[in-house]
Amino acid sequence: GAGVSQSPSNKVTEKGKDVELRCDPISGHTALYWYRQSLGQGLEFLIYFQGNSAPDKSGLPSDRFSAERTGGSVSTLTIQRTQQEDSAVYLCASSLGLPPLHFGNGTRLTVT
Amino acid sequence: SQQGEEDPQALSIQEGENATMNCSYKTSINNLQWYRQNSGRGLVHLILIRSNEREKHSGRLRVTLDTSKKSSSLLITASRAADTASYFCATDELTFGKGITLSVRP
Repeated sequence: GAGVSQSPSNKVTEKGKDVELRCDPISGHTALYWYRQSLGQGLEFLIYFQGNSAPDKSGLPSDRFSAERTGGSVSTLTIQRTQQEDSAVYLCASSLGLPPLHFGNGTRLTVT
Repeated sequence: SQQGEEDPQALSIQEGENATMNCSYKTSINNLQWYRQNSGRGLVHLILIRSNEREKHSGRLRVTLDTSKKSSSLLITASRAADTASYFCATDELTFGKGITLSVRP
């Protein structure tokens, strides 16, 4: 497909478990972003990858959160020891390094 | 702090009316973008305006930028029920506000 793909679309997990969220950006896009959107809230920046540069991790809320981008393409956001406050929609976006951003439809994470 | 902050938080209008949404920001920018988010979906880019532009049009959308006031407005003319969505502004720092919920009543 031509767009940003995220999987799974929905994830329900028990408190304390680890989860992995996947993002397939648009082919050729050098920049990849992760955001978190809680109910009724705006988008909270989490992490930004640009080419081979060190990622900007300044938005990660705790050391339970980490992300990788392998081969400059697919990215995985990992949340360890999930908490109920981690419940949110996690959005991935990619770009050619400049706006605009192209978003996926997100992964809705529910921690029970 | 968030760079782009939209107002009003919610707007309800009748189909056919115009909708005006505002965005304010704090620091100098290179460009400002507006995005739309339909329920359960990701954000879709609508329009980008550069700091040296004052107004830009795209179909029924009109965006203005006032760098002296650090503000932008998005006007949707002749609104349709399908315009019902949340609208976000973002600056080149790519920080987003809480968005504006627009409801267009048929």
